[in-house]
Amino acid sequence: GAGVSQSPSNKVTEKGKDVELRCDPISGHTALYWYRQSLGQGLEFLIYFQGNSAPDKSGLPSDRFSAERTGGSVSTLTIQRTQQEDSAVYLCASSLFAESASPLHFGNGTRLTVT
Amino acid sequence: RKEVEQDPGPFNVPEGATVAFNCTYSNSASQSFFWYRQDCRKEPKLLMSVYSSGNEDGRFTAQLNRASQYISLLIRDSKLSDSATYLCVVNTGFQKLVFGTGTRLLVSP
Repeated sequence: GAGVSQSPSNKVTEKGKDVELRCDPISGHTALYWYRQSLGQGLEFLIYFQGNSAPDKSGLPSDRFSAERTGGSVSTLTIQRTQQEDSAVYLCASSLFAESASPLHFGNGTRLTVT
Repeated sequence: RKEVEQDPGPFNVPEGATVAFNCTYSNSASQSFFWYRQDCRKEPKLLMSVYSSGNEDGRFTAQLNRASQYISLLIRDSKLSDSATYLCVVNTGFQKLVFGTGTRLLVSP
């Protein structure tokens, strides 16, 4: 079956522009996560959605970052007024449940470069 | 202190060697634990979950030590294809999965 799909796969933008990243999770997966990974670094948690519950936004680095998940499926991560330090790979993952033992399935990521 | 800490490596081992990685976590309320594998410029993929009693999957053995708050991954009979970064992942109990920075393994002929 189809895995987690992210678009675009690559995005180059100028500093100060807004960008929108999209994630289409595996059908039926109720939990959705956004992480980012800078070059040579580990994964940094950004935000987590579970069903219709309020999202856990505790990892968002600044108020320039926001995310929504419409209809419990597709999610978009928006970065306003991008800065060079926002350059990273943004990874989306979904899991069947929010239960602790449910594994994450990752998309291929969006590589964002801010010039 | 970081929530999840790993030795970044790299661990350079010859084919056939046995290698072990540890990962420590700070939150004693952490509920579940995983090892993920990440190849260069690829997304992470689940390698195995870590159960309280320890578990084995072929050449891979994972163990949990709650008293000392660490998990381990043992790889026996290393293959060239095992070369990757191994990520320790901890569910801290708030449905937030925290990733370590990873341990890089290089297996040479």
